[in-house]
Amino acid sequence: GQNIDQPTEMTATEGAIVQINCTYQTSGFNGLFWYQQHAGEAPTFLSYNVLDGLEEKGRFSSFLSRSKGYSYLLLKELQMKDSASYLCAVRSRTGANNLFFGTGTRLTVIP
Amino acid sequence: KAGVTQTPRYLIKTRGQQVTLSCSPISGHRSVSWYQQTPGQGLQFLFEYFSETQRNKGNFPGRFSGRQFSNSRSEMNVSTLELGDSALYLCASSPSAGHSAAEQYFGPGTRLTVT
Repeated sequence: GQNIDQPTEMTATEGAIVQINCTYQTSGFNGLFWYQQHAGEAPTFLSYNVLDGLEEKGRFSSFLSRSKGYSYLLLKELQMKDSASYLCAVRSRTGANNLFFGTGTRLTVIP
Repeated sequence: KAGVTQTPRYLIKTRGQQVTLSCSPISGHRSVSWYQQTPGQGLQFLFEYFSETQRNKGNFPGRFSGRQFSNSRSEMNVSTLELGDSALYLCASSPSAGHSAAEQYFGPGTRLTVT
């Protein structure tokens, strides 16, 4: 089966750094995605990891350890507009566009 | 380039009825995936179509079906609606067949309420 775990909610202060963790157990692995979803809107792509290590993209970074079934999303210099749900998703095999999603982490940024 | 469009955006149906939702992918994208999003379960994969063929299917009952047309537009149908089918239905398009980092681009969704 597939199992993806993320914290349900997190709160952080504007300007700070926050790390959102994701652990997964899937029958196969062909990439891990992070999406951002604002309330009432569609998810938007943030990052993709398929090899171990850190991928950096501006204020956002994502890390993957395949041996540990673990990833995190790091958000730096938090802004109020970063308040959203962050979804971790795993693609379990190549040649397929079906993603297994965690239930998401709702991040609230406070002044 | 226009994004993924879904119609209708909101829908209210009664138990036992059927419903058809439509998704137009980004121009040039041949893969369309459908997801159901509920507060308790999060995003769950329904099925994926690529070049008019269903390539993958999630763990949903046979009441949920779909198809894809030659222009890559896709429809999903839910028959004999149940209260538990109330959800946001999202479709996502991708340019690839799932071999690369090509991400899926999500549409705004159709909010279905079953009463």
